[in-house]
Amino acid sequence: GQSLEQPSEVTAVEGAIVQINCTYQTSGFYGLSWYQQHDGGAPTFLSYNALDGLEETGRFSSFLSRSDSYGYLLLQELQMKDSASYFCAVRVRPSFRGSQGNLIFGKGTKLSVKP
Amino acid sequence: IAGITQAPTSQILAAGRRMTLRCTQDMRHNAMYWYRQDLGLGLRLIHYSNTAGTTGKGEVPDGYSVSRANTDDFPLTLASAVPSQTSVYFCASSEGDRTGGYTFGSGTRLTVV
Repeated sequence: GQSLEQPSEVTAVEGAIVQINCTYQTSGFYGLSWYQQHDGGAPTFLSYNALDGLEETGRFSSFLSRSDSYGYLLLQELQMKDSASYFCAVRVRPSFRGSQGNLIFGKGTKLSVKP
Repeated sequence: IAGITQAPTSQILAAGRRMTLRCTQDMRHNAMYWYRQDLGLGLRLIHYSNTAGTTGKGEVPDGYSVSRANTDDFPLTLASAVPSQTSVYFCASSEGDRTGGYTFGSGTRLTVV
């Protein structure tokens, strides 16, 4: 089966840096994604790591270590608008030919940014 | 239409009734998905379709059915609703290129009473 672990809640202050960790156990791993979801909104795609290392997109960076089954999302220069839930998701190998695999989501980390 | 449109936005449904949640995308994405989101449980995959004419079961398929007659539409049907199906339902699509970038609709909040 598949399982993902991430902290349920994180609190940080405006301007700070916060790291949200994600560990996973899965068979047929393709890559790790991160999504942001504001209260009452839809999840929106942030990043995808298929290979080990750090991917940077503006204030957000995402890291993957395949050997450790571990990744994290790093948010820098936190702003109030970053208050949201953040989900890691693993893309798993398809169960049948022709499929690109599906995303399995973690339970999410609620980030609260304080002034 | 831009992206994914879901309808209705919200619905209160009597237990035992049949309900179809609609999902339409205009991005010509091959793959489409239905997730349900419950507090503390994150997003769980109900059914998926990698291309028109094919569907597959996800993590929690029981009580739900889907069809994919064309590229754009992917309706989700609850044949006989039960209170445990009270949830927020999200439809999503992707190009199916393994980059992990799903586009989500705005969701349908369903309450079964």
